[in-house]
Amino acid sequence: NAGVMQNPRHLVRRRGQEARLRCSPMKGHSHVYWYRQLPEEGLKFMVYLQKENIIDESGMPKERFSAEFPKEGPSILRIQQVVRGDSAAYFCASSPNGVIKAPGGEKLFFGSGTQLSVL
Amino acid sequence: GEDVEQSLFLSVREGDSSVINCTYTDSSSTYLYWYKQEPGAGLQLLTYIFSNMDMKQDQRLTVLLNKKDKHLSLRIADTQTGDSAIYFCAEFRSSASKIIFGSGTRLSIRP
Repeated sequence: NAGVMQNPRHLVRRRGQEARLRCSPMKGHSHVYWYRQLPEEGLKFMVYLQKENIIDESGMPKERFSAEFPKEGPSILRIQQVVRGDSAAYFCASSPNGVIKAPGGEKLFFGSGTQLSVL
Repeated sequence: GEDVEQSLFLSVREGDSSVINCTYTDSSSTYLYWYKQEPGAGLQLLTYIFSNMDMKQDQRLTVLLNKKDKHLSLRIADTQTGDSAIYFCAEFRSSASKIIFGSGTRLSIRP
């Protein structure tokens, strides 16, 4: 049973380009979470998605960032017109039930992350 | 405040016990977690504790919860070189229905 798969592991972009980060949740998991980790900082929640729906995007910057989790295929975190401040590790996590349906008892399973570097 | 707080670094001698501390903010948090992150890897759930418990033990790991002070600790007995990692404390924040992470404590082991 494969874990949460993220790709690419490393992504280098120049300022102004677009970054697309992909996350395939664990088999049977329909809930996906994206977190961002800046150096020497913890993980900051960005967005929580269930298949075809955005449940909570309160951590997403209002501009340039978007996320989707289509019925088929991986979840995508998209950053348009990247800036140097977007450089970070982006982690995806999945769960079978979602923290809302199983509050507190939910455990997140994390991918290995995508390290985004903006030149 | 918003933050789950941890000290950034801890250094212990191999074979000693490591104690990593964390304070959280939401008194209604129902679950508290400890995650481990090894270099270049994602976070791995180590253990968790329900808020009506004071202590949970799992082999070399002991979690202590002081709900009054909103203080959580992780004790690793007989620390080994393989325990070198960043340890994240996290709380399930009921008010926001999401899991909030601390900044992580980097544990280094010296011979």
